[in-house]
Amino acid sequence: EPEVTQTPSHQVTQMGQEVILRCVPISNHLYFYWYRQILGQKVEFLVSFYNNEISEKSEIFDDQFSVERPDGSNFTLKIRSTKLEDSAMYFCASRNRRRTDTQYFGPGTRLTVL
Amino acid sequence: AQKVTQAQTEISVVEKEDVTLDCVYETRDTTYYLFWYKQPPSGELVFLIRRNSFDEQNEISGRYSWNFQKSTSSFNFTITASQVVDSAVYFCALSEGAGSQGNLIFGKGTKLSVKP
Repeated sequence: EPEVTQTPSHQVTQMGQEVILRCVPISNHLYFYWYRQILGQKVEFLVSFYNNEISEKSEIFDDQFSVERPDGSNFTLKIRSTKLEDSAMYFCASRNRRRTDTQYFGPGTRLTVL
Repeated sequence: AQKVTQAQTEISVVEKEDVTLDCVYETRDTTYYLFWYKQPPSGELVFLIRRNSFDEQNEISGRYSWNFQKSTSSFNFTITASQVVDSAVYFCALSEGAGSQGNLIFGKGTKLSVKP
């Protein structure tokens, strides 16, 4: 069964450094998402991406964040200058064409900012 | 505004007990979708079920059942004869219909502990 994959599973970085989190969505999916979950809290929407552009973003997704689909398979989330409060689990998700389709999540990348 | 409320923060049961996880949602849309996801201790998010706002039929899948009631804006999840492997955090989520890109609004989750 196809699945969403994410790398790395755990990233440790120093405050102020740039990080890139990588995701490979399910191959025939067209909509891509990033969510984050601060430890012990709920999952929060960051951004949605369709047709090579951002379609919706939350207040959390400020100028420090960017997303890209550099090729036909990868979907990346970049944080330009990490802060302590960026420490969280970041989930990538994808869904197929129809709005009724389910989002399937990757296993997550745990980001620790020191 | 859209909102999902899971009032139960933590529930602890003994194996073989039945348990119901509550979910109440708010939305102005007439078309929307409701979901339950399971997050085991390993951390991934596992899809359990999706429900469309125009389909109020309850659903049963093995030991799992879901009760969707539009009149009370609730989408509750029942595990029958719970097992230790059911221990996880369970999230209810809402996705709105027309005009939305389908992003999910999650509740805060209910941590279920099933003791042997």
